[in-house]
Amino acid sequence: GQSLEQPSEVTAVEGAIVQINCTYQTSGFYGLSWYQQHDGGAPTFLSYNGLDGLEETGRFSSFLSRSDSYGYLLLQELQMKDSASYFCAVRVVRDDKIIFGKGTRLHILP
Amino acid sequence: NAGVTQTPKFRILKIGQSMTLQCAQDMNHNYMYWYRQDPGMGLKLIYYSVGAGITDKGEVPNGYNVSRSTTEDFPLRLELAAPSQTSVYFCASSYSASGSTGELFFGEGSRLTVL
Repeated sequence: GQSLEQPSEVTAVEGAIVQINCTYQTSGFYGLSWYQQHDGGAPTFLSYNGLDGLEETGRFSSFLSRSDSYGYLLLQELQMKDSASYFCAVRVVRDDKIIFGKGTRLHILP
Repeated sequence: NAGVTQTPKFRILKIGQSMTLQCAQDMNHNYMYWYRQDPGMGLKLIYYSVGAGITDKGEVPNGYNVSRSTTEDFPLRLELAAPSQTSVYFCASSYSASGSTGELFFGEGSRLTVL
């Protein structure tokens, strides 16, 4: 089967940098995606890594290493509005299912 | 551009009742998905579809049914509602071409309570 593991909670200080890890056990996937979800809202797409390496989008970066079955989301210059849950997800090649990790709740302290 | 539209936004059902959650997208996406999210938890895949006339089970399909008669619509049917089906339901769609990110576009969610 497929599974993605994330820490349940992470706490960081406003203005700092935080890394949210995602380790996975899945056979054949197209790439690793990250989504942000604020309380009461719907998930929104943040980034995608189709190939190994680092992708940067403004204050957010995402990394994938297929050989290590590992990826992470890096948030820089943290702002209070970044307080949310963050999910990693993969689309499985075999059947096109999109599977999500359980999510990491990011708490930001002033 | 409406994106993904879900109705209703809120619903309370009695045990044993049935209902249909509606989902429509206007982006001509061929892939559509239904997820449920319990409080403080992740998204669990219920059913998905890779095109009109094609549906398949996800991780937690029991107690649900779907149909995909058009590209735009992907309704989720709950038969004989149970308290365990109390959850927030999200419909999502994506463009599936090779090399695309497969970004999911989500509806606002339907909050269902079964009493």
